[in-house]
Amino acid sequence: AQSVTQLGSHVSVSEGALVLLRCNYSSSVPPYLFWYVQYPNQGLQLLLKYTTGATLVKGINGFEAEFKKSETSFRLTKPSAHMSDAAEYFCAVIEGSSGDKLTFGTGTRLAVRP
Amino acid sequence: NAGVTQTPKFRILKIGQSMTLQCAQDMNHNYMYWYRQDPGMGLKLIYYSVGAGITDKGEVPNGYNVSRSTTEDFPLRLELAAPSQTSVYFCASSYSTGGQETQYFGPGTRLLVL
Repeated sequence: AQSVTQLGSHVSVSEGALVLLRCNYSSSVPPYLFWYVQYPNQGLQLLLKYTTGATLVKGINGFEAEFKKSETSFRLTKPSAHMSDAAEYFCAVIEGSSGDKLTFGTGTRLAVRP
Repeated sequence: NAGVTQTPKFRILKIGQSMTLQCAQDMNHNYMYWYRQDPGMGLKLIYYSVGAGITDKGEVPNGYNVSRSTTEDFPLRLELAAPSQTSVYFCASSYSTGGQETQYFGPGTRLLVL
């Protein structure tokens, strides 16, 4: 069965600093991996996803993520945090192309200090 | 397109009452999902549907029922509300399944059972 672990339930960075959110997964088949963002009182919005091919994927709002199979990790980064990045971020996994259900991590709340 | 819409936005129920959470999408998506989100727990799948007339249980289906009479609508029914069902409920949809498909989320329904 697939599972997702997000390291750190709360992360705080200064405006302009690097954002780094960590996610580890377990899957019996090659996974498809996702990062979703949830702004206050809103639903989830897809930031980016990895399916196959290039292990560095770019998403919206300047975010990118790197898939490392050897480490079973899918790390989300943004070079320079903006106040508007304050939100909750969820990592999720589907087991390969035949999987039909997303499994979500427990979320990481990102705070951005002025 | 309105995307995925949910009503109501917020509801307070007494223990034992029943209610239906409404979800509709106008993207002609085949797949629809209901999740609940509890603090620190991420999103858990309650039920999902692969098309009109077809539904299946997710990870936490107890206490809930669904129906899918049309492609557009996927209501979630709580028959006997319990305090454990206090949560934020999200509906989502996707065109198909597998890792290639993005799930689009509604804004959520916040339910409080007292």
